Amino acid sequence: DTAVSQTPKYLVTQMGNDKSIKCEQNLGHDTMYWYKQDSKKFLKIMFSYNNKELIINETVPNRFSPKSPDKAHLNLHINSLELGDSAVYFCASSPRGRYEQYFGPGTRLTVT
Amino acid sequence: LAKTTQPISMDSYEGQEVNITCSHNNIATNDYITWYQQFPSQGPRFIIQGYKTKVTNEVASLFIPADRKSSTLSLPRVSLSDTAVYYCLVGEGPGTLTGGGNKLTFGTGTQLKVEL
Repeated sequence: DTAVSQTPKYLVTQMGNDKSIKCEQNLGHDTMYWYKQDSKKFLKIMFSYNNKELIINETVPNRFSPKSPDKAHLNLHINSLELGDSAVYFCASSPRGRYEQYFGPGTRLTVT
Repeated sequence: LAKTTQPISMDSYEGQEVNITCSHNNIATNDYITWYQQFPSQGPRFIIQGYKTKVTNEVASLFIPADRKSSTLSLPRVSLSDTAVYYCLVGEGPGTLTGGGNKLTFGTGTQLKVEL
């Protein structure tokens, strides 16, 4: 069983489009995260949700918006895509009272 | 924001012990130190976490000096399959995540290459 899953695995789109990446965790965790990993492999947190409440919001463009329909899902919506948005996006989750994070397989976004 | 610094790369041979150090000079009181391993085309995988002194689990040990301004991940008897990128993460610990609080900061990562 996949603990943290993301769809799609690959996403190729053109500048100016709007796209979404979905994330689901079946671990019963309370906190979920979105990370961006650029071509230089730097891993930067973008958002996290705890019990459906946004608790960390890094200085990312407001074109990016996380949406959590329930505790098991944290989707990432991106409007007006730009070339610089090309990266691998990872979803992660962590259990209540613990700090270790469980990462999904990543979504490689390519903006042309 | 607890900025972290790691060596870019390290080389080792099978069977050797590998120590990877992460510097985090402005670590905050509530911050924990967590290490992750990442293989190509995969998400990072949790290895070990600690707050101070020494922590050991079945795959690694984590040494944290009293001033907590650095930490060292120790991998005993590495094998070829340990070839990966290792990240140091510094941020708020369990149960203390708050709105606008400390940000989770990954280090630049250390590419470990293990050879025969």
